[in-house]
Amino acid sequence: GAVVSQHPSRVICKSGTSVKIECRSLDFQATTMFWYRQFPKQSLMLMATSNEGSKATYEQGVEKDKFLINHASLTLSTLTVTSAHPEDSSFYICSASLLLDFSSDTQYFGPGTRLTVL
Amino acid sequence: AQKITQTQPGMFVQEKEAVTLDCTYDTSDPSYGLFWYKQPSSGEMIFLIYQGSYDQQNATEGRYSLNFQKARKSANLVISASQLGDSAMYFCAMREDNYGGSQGNLIFGKGTKLSVKP
Repeated sequence: GAVVSQHPSRVICKSGTSVKIECRSLDFQATTMFWYRQFPKQSLMLMATSNEGSKATYEQGVEKDKFLINHASLTLSTLTVTSAHPEDSSFYICSASLLLDFSSDTQYFGPGTRLTVL
Repeated sequence: AQKITQTQPGMFVQEKEAVTLDCTYDTSDPSYGLFWYKQPSSGEMIFLIYQGSYDQQNATEGRYSLNFQKARKSANLVISASQLGDSAMYFCAMREDNYGGSQGNLIFGKGTKLSVKP
């Protein structure tokens, strides 16, 4: 149980184009999904928190007009990188919160998407 | 100040031996959760173990155990009987429950790269 998928796993695009990344919880419903970004040899940095049916909450310094997040259902959240530039090249990874009980609220992660902007 | 500190950028351990990965945390929130994740070279984040701040006993999951010392604010991961497949990055993370538990963000440490020698 608690499987999260991401699609695509790897994408290469030209500068100026938009890229959409999907995050799905396969065997559970996730009211909350999180989007992280990870640069090589660094830790994960939270970009935004996505709640089903409401606007995402972005972390300080993350441009919400550039990184569009849509949490359309309890099993799907999408991240769209608009007008991508080479500095947006990174590993993007989502997680979904599985509320096993009130206290643990473990986050399960997708396999990640490696974005390369040429 | 860093909320999660992992002081060991890299660790080596002989196969079949035990290894301890250090993690200290900083929070004034009385309710919080501590997590360990494993990230192999493929990039996916694999949940290993969880410890709640009010848990009386140290968490254990198979070969993984968490040495929780609340007064010292440490949550070290102990891996017993290391296997070659344990070679990966290991991240300690904390969730503060100031949002009421279900939507708290994870704050990650910088990670420790564990290499298991045959």
